[in-house]
Amino acid sequence: DQQVKQNSPSLSVQEGRISILNCDYTNSMFDYFLWYKKYPAEGPTFLISISSIKDKNEDGRFTVFLNKSAKHLSLHIVPSQPGDSAVYFCAASAFTSGTYKYIFGTGTRLKVLA
Amino acid sequence: DAGVIQSPRHEVTEMGQEVTLRCKPISGHDYLFWYRQTMMRGLELLIYFNNNVPIDDSGMPEDRFSAKMPNASFSTLKIQPSEPRDSAVYFCASSFSGPKAFFGQGTRLTVV
Repeated sequence: DQQVKQNSPSLSVQEGRISILNCDYTNSMFDYFLWYKKYPAEGPTFLISISSIKDKNEDGRFTVFLNKSAKHLSLHIVPSQPGDSAVYFCAASAFTSGTYKYIFGTGTRLKVLA
Repeated sequence: DAGVIQSPRHEVTEMGQEVTLRCKPISGHDYLFWYRQTMMRGLELLIYFNNNVPIDDSGMPEDRFSAKMPNASFSTLKIQPSEPRDSAVYFCASSFSGPKAFFGQGTRLTVV
């Protein structure tokens, strides 16, 4: 049973445009969410995170939005660049419950076209 | 710091053989995670340790899988006996009392 779902396995976006990657979760105990980026033959690297007490967190070109009522989060990349082409994973944890058990989605492969 | 170091990077073994994957976490980190990545299931958490003690191994698929952390700078994930369906990329990650984990480059395991 997938508690964290990324329903779009792939996404193609033109350079300079906005990329929107989506993630849904089912466990209402999740209170901390992260996005990781993964290039081929490398491990995932941390990109951005958000706590459930917020609904938006911004870091440069990357913004994560959290809609708790819908159990949905999204990652916006503006403007998209060819170097952003990678697989993006969202992850969730019940952080304040004292567990660092991160549940990951299956990933979305983003391709930014030059 | 060199980051999380995993070895080997690639492992090809025959079905039934024992496989041992190794991980050196970032110095000072108190949490260590083992993940498995497959196309169908993405990144699955197998087990994690806090201060060398296993906290949650509910993700370990079968008794054929075992993990140890004898000290703060070393962990192993062992599969005995290995099966073709164990073929995947195995990642080790570490963190310092927080949610942001740093991943190693992974070990690509192929069981033939």
